[in-house]
Amino acid sequence: DADVTQTPRNRITKTGKRIMLECSQTKGHDRMYWYRQDPGLGLRLIYYSFDVKDINKGEISDGYSVSRQAQAKFSLSLESAIPNQTALYFCATSALGYGYTFGSGTRLTVV
Amino acid sequence: RKEVEQDPGPFNVPEGATVAFNCTYSNSASQSFFWYRQDCRKEPKLLMSVYSSGNEDGRFTAQLNRASQYISLLIRDSKLSDSATYLCVVLLFGNEKLTFGTGTRLTIIP
Repeated sequence: DADVTQTPRNRITKTGKRIMLECSQTKGHDRMYWYRQDPGLGLRLIYYSFDVKDINKGEISDGYSVSRQAQAKFSLSLESAIPNQTALYFCATSALGYGYTFGSGTRLTVV
Repeated sequence: RKEVEQDPGPFNVPEGATVAFNCTYSNSASQSFFWYRQDCRKEPKLLMSVYSSGNEDGRFTAQLNRASQYISLLIRDSKLSDSATYLCVVLLFGNEKLTFGTGTRLTIIP
């Protein structure tokens, strides 16, 4: 099994729908992150969490919310999806002194 | 100005050649530096960390120039399997969030 698992792998949704992307990890890391990747823009941080009771906005948090349900789980929600949220979304984990481990990504298309 | 800047490429290089990528970062408080590799439609994976004294891992050599705020990656004897996008990544002092460059796309030509 992968260390960092994202579900779903692919999703097509309609404008205005609520959608949740889920991430779970077995690495025991306390830090979790959500990034989105767009062509030509690289990876941009949406939200991050350093432990279960800690949630922080990244550089592009508008239109997104997160929930850290447990140390191993960190979900990303789009309350009302819009087409410019079409992107590849990555969850990542880390621990102090260790590098990031990424999930395989969720390809989201908003039509 | 972007925090981390890279030449997006693409670099099309014949197999066996040597190729070098450069990256500049804007924040002098940057503490740690990395190169990640990302294959098409896949997640980024750590290629190597970059140390002040420079470091080598097989065919890959990374160097850091703090005075010029410049990082480089050299790939010798390039292989077809080296085709990927290479991401320059920086960690600020006191901050556990990585900042990514937009990546340099490399294609090795047979």
